[in-house]
Amino acid sequence: AQSVAQPEDQVNVAEGNPLTVKCTYSVSGNPYLFWYVQYPNRGLQFLLKYITGDNLVKGSYGFEAEFNKSQTSFHLKKPSALVSDSALYFCAVRTGTGGFKTIFGAGTRLFVKA
Amino acid sequence: ETGVTQTPRHLVMGMTNKKSLKCEQHLGHNAMYWYKQSAKKPLELMFVYSLEERVENNSVPSRFSPECPNSSHLFLHLHTLQPEDSALYLCASSQAAKSPTDTQYFGPGTRLTVL
Repeated sequence: AQSVAQPEDQVNVAEGNPLTVKCTYSVSGNPYLFWYVQYPNRGLQFLLKYITGDNLVKGSYGFEAEFNKSQTSFHLKKPSALVSDSALYFCAVRTGTGGFKTIFGAGTRLFVKA
Repeated sequence: ETGVTQTPRHLVMGMTNKKSLKCEQHLGHNAMYWYKQSAKKPLELMFVYSLEERVENNSVPSRFSPECPNSSHLFLHLHTLQPEDSALYLCASSQAAKSPTDTQYFGPGTRLTVL
């Protein structure tokens, strides 16, 4: 069965420091990986996705993610965190054999302290 | 968030009421989705429509009834709900339902409270 794990419920980081939000996945077949962000009282906003090619994917708001096939991971990173990055982050996966379903992780809450 | 809009943003209803949630996408997409987001649980896919045809019903109770009159509009009709149905209901759209590389774009959600 396909699954996505976000091992940390919450990540705390000081403003200006680098941040990492972790994601690992388990699928059969090639994974297509997504990161979304959710601000309070808002829907999910697309940040970036990995389809194929370069393992380092750059996305919106200065975020990037690295696809690591051997570790089945797709961690979200940003070199310098902003207070405004504080939000709920979701990792998601789809495959070519997964039909219509996108499998979402449970989410990681990021707190950036000034 | 003008790409996908949802109304109402907040809804409080009793267990015997009937109400409907509305979603509209302005992106020219062919697929639309309903998700349920409950606290501390992963997003749950409820229904998928592709070109106005329902292609996925993820074991959702019959008290939830979706309707897709055209590729831009999606409704979720609610009747005789239970308190455990209280959640944020998210609508999303994508270019095609079965393309695994397509990005889904989400509306702001309807916060539903069932008393």
